[in-house]
Amino acid sequence: GAVVSQHPSWVICKSGTSVKIECRSLDFQATTMFWYRQFPKQSLMLMATSNEGSKATYEQGVEKDKFLINHASLTLSTLTVTSAHPEDSSFYICSARDRGTGLNQPQHFGDGTRLSIL
Amino acid sequence: KQEVTQIPAALSVPEGENLVLNCSFTDSAIYNLQWFRQDPGKGLTSLLLIQSSQREQTSGRLNASLDKSSGRSTLYIAASQPGDSATYLCAVENDSNYQLIWGAGTKLIIKP
Repeated sequence: GAVVSQHPSWVICKSGTSVKIECRSLDFQATTMFWYRQFPKQSLMLMATSNEGSKATYEQGVEKDKFLINHASLTLSTLTVTSAHPEDSSFYICSARDRGTGLNQPQHFGDGTRLSIL
Repeated sequence: KQEVTQIPAALSVPEGENLVLNCSFTDSAIYNLQWFRQDPGKGLTSLLLIQSSQREQTSGRLNASLDKSSGRSTLYIAASQPGDSATYLCAVENDSNYQLIWGAGTKLIIKP
């Protein structure tokens, strides 16, 4: 089945560091990828929709200069948390839809990245 | 604005019991509804997807139903096992922008 690889799975770093998270579709092409954030004991919140070859669409309240998204190819999207601070600590999850299967197919999710900012 | 609610927030039952998880949504203009499983500290596993034109989907011991007009879905788990312990998330995909709107989840514990 379709697999989405997310890397790294866990990051601990000092405040002020920029952190890049990669999301790769391993056996399919994804025109669109989604980035979510999940705080403890809460559900997923969509941060942005990443479109290959164009600018990402950010949800209200998400700072585009803080969370840089690049979707340079049909199999890779990256999320960079710039100058991360403790309040950015969270679980970040990406998902992708196989462009060959149409909209009424499930999104495939990565295993998530746990980000801890000290 | 679409809102998704899951009841109960937590559920603990003995092994072997059949159980039902509930999901409700406020806007019936959905493209599909999906049920996911999330283990602690892990990503998501898609369990079932019900298209807006469908009434139910089955996979093994899992059966999900959809009543779009009343804004409700249920996930039925038969003969529960300790390995079923996880958080179960319901999400609807809006037919306007194809974004997933998530419920807060039901944390399920199956006691051996």
